[in-house]
Amino acid sequence: AQTVTQSQPEMSVQEAETVTLSCTYDTSESDYYLFWYKQPPSRQMILVIRQEAYKQQNATENRFSVNFQKAAKSFSLKISDSQLGDAAMYFCAYRSYANAGGTSYGKLTFGQGTILTVHP
Amino acid sequence: NAGVTQTPKFRILKIGQSMTLQCTQDMNHNYMYWYRQDPGMGLKLIYYSVGAGITDKGEVPNGYNVSRSTTEDFPLRLELAAPSQTSVYFCASSYQTGVANYGYTFGSGTRLTVV
Repeated sequence: AQTVTQSQPEMSVQEAETVTLSCTYDTSESDYYLFWYKQPPSRQMILVIRQEAYKQQNATENRFSVNFQKAAKSFSLKISDSQLGDAAMYFCAYRSYANAGGTSYGKLTFGQGTILTVHP
Repeated sequence: NAGVTQTPKFRILKIGQSMTLQCTQDMNHNYMYWYRQDPGMGLKLIYYSVGAGITDKGEVPNGYNVSRSTTEDFPLRLELAAPSQTSVYFCASSYQTGVANYGYTFGSGTRLTVV
C-alpha cells in the first residue's frame, strides 16, 4: 500500500515571499500521479498542481511549482510571491497510474496536511 | 456546470440514528468516491464505485453502506450513527478510461456531528 507523509504540520510565510511545503511518499509502483490540493476554510478541495511520474520535467502553474525527485520519492510544492489568499491547508496526494489488478480504482491517498499561514 | 453536489452541508445526528448523505454529479463521470476527513487529518476513502451497479470498500468502510443505481448518484448511508463518525464527508468523481484519468472533482463536503 502507498503512504504519503507531510512532515510539516504548520508553515508560515510573509506576503510576497517564497515558501516550500514538503511531501514524501512510499510506493513500489513506477507509474503514478502526484497532486497538491489546497483546502481553504470553505472546505472546498482545490487542485493546485499535478505531476505524472513518467515526466521528468517539474510541473508549474503560475506561482506554484513542484520539485519532483522520483528516486528520493519526494514531491515538494514551492509557492512564489505568496499572497494572503494562499493561506489554507495543503494536502499532498498520490494516485496509481493504472487499475493494477483492480486494487487502486483511481483512489487518492492523502498526506496529513500542512497548514500554511501568510502574514501581511 | 453544477459538478458534484452534496447534501446536506451540515447535520447533527443523535447516537443510533441513521441518515443518507446525497451525492450527485452531472459530468457523466464513471468513477465516484466517498472520503471522510477527521479534524486536522487528510482524507480517507470509505467506499468507491467504478460504474452503476458496482461498488467496493475503501480503507474505512465500517458503519457505512453505499449504492450506485445510476451514473449520477452515489448516496452514502450511515446506519446506527456513532460519535466516531463525526467528520467531514466528501464525495468526488472522476472519469477514467483504460489507464487515463481525467482528474477529480470534489463536492463541497458535509459536516456531520454525532452527539
